[in-house]
Amino acid sequence: DSGVTQTPKHLITATGQRVTLRCSPRSGDLSVYWYQQSLDQGLQFLIQYYNGEERAKGNILERFSAQQFPDLHSELNLSSLELGDSALYFCASSVEPGTEAFFGQGTRLTVV
Amino acid sequence: DAKTTQPPSMDCAEGRAANLPCNHSTISGNEYVYWYRQIHSQGPQYIIHGLKNNETNEMASLIITEDRKSSTLILPHATLRDTAVYYCIVRVAPRGAGGTSYGKLTFGQGTILTVHP
Repeated sequence: DSGVTQTPKHLITATGQRVTLRCSPRSGDLSVYWYQQSLDQGLQFLIQYYNGEERAKGNILERFSAQQFPDLHSELNLSSLELGDSALYFCASSVEPGTEAFFGQGTRLTVV
Repeated sequence: DAKTTQPPSMDCAEGRAANLPCNHSTISGNEYVYWYRQIHSQGPQYIIHGLKNNETNEMASLIITEDRKSSTLILPHATLRDTAVYYCIVRVAPRGAGGTSYGKLTFGQGTILTVHP
């Protein structure tokens, strides 16, 4: 158990819908990262937050957004969902940017 | 971050040492070598990291060549539960070491390690 909690574990939704994925980082970790893993793209970095502020952006679509709250948990919002958004979404946390990151077990999103 | 090259797959017999190579010939002086693994769609798991000295922890050993252009992850006594995709990642130093890393990890395709009974 990495100490990073992601909910829900599984999510099935229809195209065009909006979902929110939640991540609780390890106790004491200030930095949160979101990754997407699809069969054809591998693990792709989406976005990073540190102590509530956005620090880095990767290949995150405009339909996707994220935030980190004062209690340090983070949410990834995915809207106008398409079939191609079906993937595993992982959250990771670290004490600060650059230190080793610990990953949650992921949310498996299926868009039908 | 420097690019890494890993063999797509490797096999290992249970109980034997698994030696996973990684080439990172364009590594810069302030870049660390990190290893993560992912067991069948679970979240990636941190294994070990190093700058230029060899490192060992309870999971593995990391051997980095003197010119730092390549490294080897060693699992001393592989078990069936070590079957996973192993990722070698190079990135700039953590902030605490004077770097300016934002911390993101750039995953390649990794090496699929299969441990056989």
